[in-house]
Amino acid sequence: NAGVTQTPKFRILKIGQSMTLQCTQDMNHNYMYWYRQDPGMGLKLIYYSVGAGITDKGEVPNGYNVSRSTTEDFPLRLELAAPSQTSVYFCASSRTGGDQPQHFGDGTRLSIL
Amino acid sequence: KQEVTQIPAALSVPEGENLVLNCSFTDSAIYNLQWFRQDPGKGLTSLLLIQSSQREQTSGRLNASLDKSSGRSTLYIAASQPGDSATYLCAVSKAGTALIFGKGTTLSVSS
Repeated sequence: NAGVTQTPKFRILKIGQSMTLQCTQDMNHNYMYWYRQDPGMGLKLIYYSVGAGITDKGEVPNGYNVSRSTTEDFPLRLELAAPSQTSVYFCASSRTGGDQPQHFGDGTRLSIL
Repeated sequence: KQEVTQIPAALSVPEGENLVLNCSFTDSAIYNLQWFRQDPGKGLTSLLLIQSSQREQTSGRLNASLDKSSGRSTLYIAASQPGDSATYLCAVSKAGTALIFGKGTTLSVSS
């Protein structure tokens, strides 16, 4: 039972580079989310999706893009990486919206140098 | 704007002690409240979810209460164990999707 799988686990980028953080879930959940967690801070929502083909911005979407072509996958793209994007990124999923708990992956630790 | 505050930021207790973690939120118009556990270098594990119409939820040694009118929730851990050492995060949902998180309480239980 894999749950939510994120790759890579660690990555170091140079300023201005781009990359895609991968997230896949095998629970057939409709809702998927991307959060970032900065040291000593709570998680902040970047983007979320309520189903394939539907995405919406969260609290901190600037500098990121997402797509949801399948139920299972919800990649997060960083364009023109900046030091402010150094963070731990978590992907989560839930069967529906507010009445179901969110299940989290183990995170991607990203450093921009 | 919804803000979630968790007190204390850190807590150390001896094994066997009962303890309470506190969470407060500024906007009482919430859809639900969730408590999570986060181990170092790991993702979050959902512990308890309380719908806005509920007053409490229980799972094993954990009991979470919700008082929407006062904007407060507590997580009660009975007979704490070293394995309970982790960071506990509280989060509220307004519209049933996005979660607003507190900064967490880091718990250390010594044997």
